[in-house]
Amino acid sequence: GDSVTQMEGPVTLSEEAFLTINCTYTATGYPSLFWYVQYPGEGLQLLLKATKADDKGSNKGFEATYRKETTSFHLEKGSVQVSDSAVYFCALSFLDTGRRALTFGSGTRLQVQP
Amino acid sequence: DAGITQSPRHKVTETGTPVTLRCHQTENHRYMYWYRQDPGHGLRLIHYSYGVKDTDKGEVSDGYSVSRSKTEDFLLTLESATSSQTSVYFCAISDRDRVNTGELFFGEGSRLTVL
Repeated sequence: GDSVTQMEGPVTLSEEAFLTINCTYTATGYPSLFWYVQYPGEGLQLLLKATKADDKGSNKGFEATYRKETTSFHLEKGSVQVSDSAVYFCALSFLDTGRRALTFGSGTRLQVQP
Repeated sequence: DAGITQSPRHKVTETGTPVTLRCHQTENHRYMYWYRQDPGHGLRLIHYSYGVKDTDKGEVSDGYSVSRSKTEDFLLTLESATSSQTSVYFCAISDRDRVNTGELFFGEGSRLTVL
């Protein structure tokens, strides 16, 4: 079945450091890919998405590029802030079929220190 | 913020007792989902609904049932709770347009502890 693998956390960075959170997927076909973020005590919210190969999703300074050849969708940010501390989830879905429910990875906790 | 309310937000119960979690939405969205969140597993889909009286199983549906008799309410029932069902449960909703972009709106979660 479909699956998403993320790097284990926690990832601890100092403010203004560069962030990479790795995400790879296994799926039959070409899914759409997403990053969701969960701030402490809250539900998840969509951060960015990409629906086809080589698409780049971006939002709030975060970016991720859909790489079909490596089945990856790594999340990056050039300069993290303390307010970016959260759990980040990579996910996939097949939006153009009946398989629209999201499949999530296990999540990566990011801690940014001042 | 999407109008999603989960209740109860916290519950402690004993093994073998029935438990019902409620998800209430004020957005009139067609699609509703129940996920559970566990360390090391991320979020896993329990059940989902594409409309009133239209529900289907997700990847971890054993031990759970759902009902949707009104657009705004999606109930998750544990008929006989077990310790393995200790988890944080999230409800999510989406509308016809957003579901085609993969955007779900999540509630704040219900933490269930089964002793």
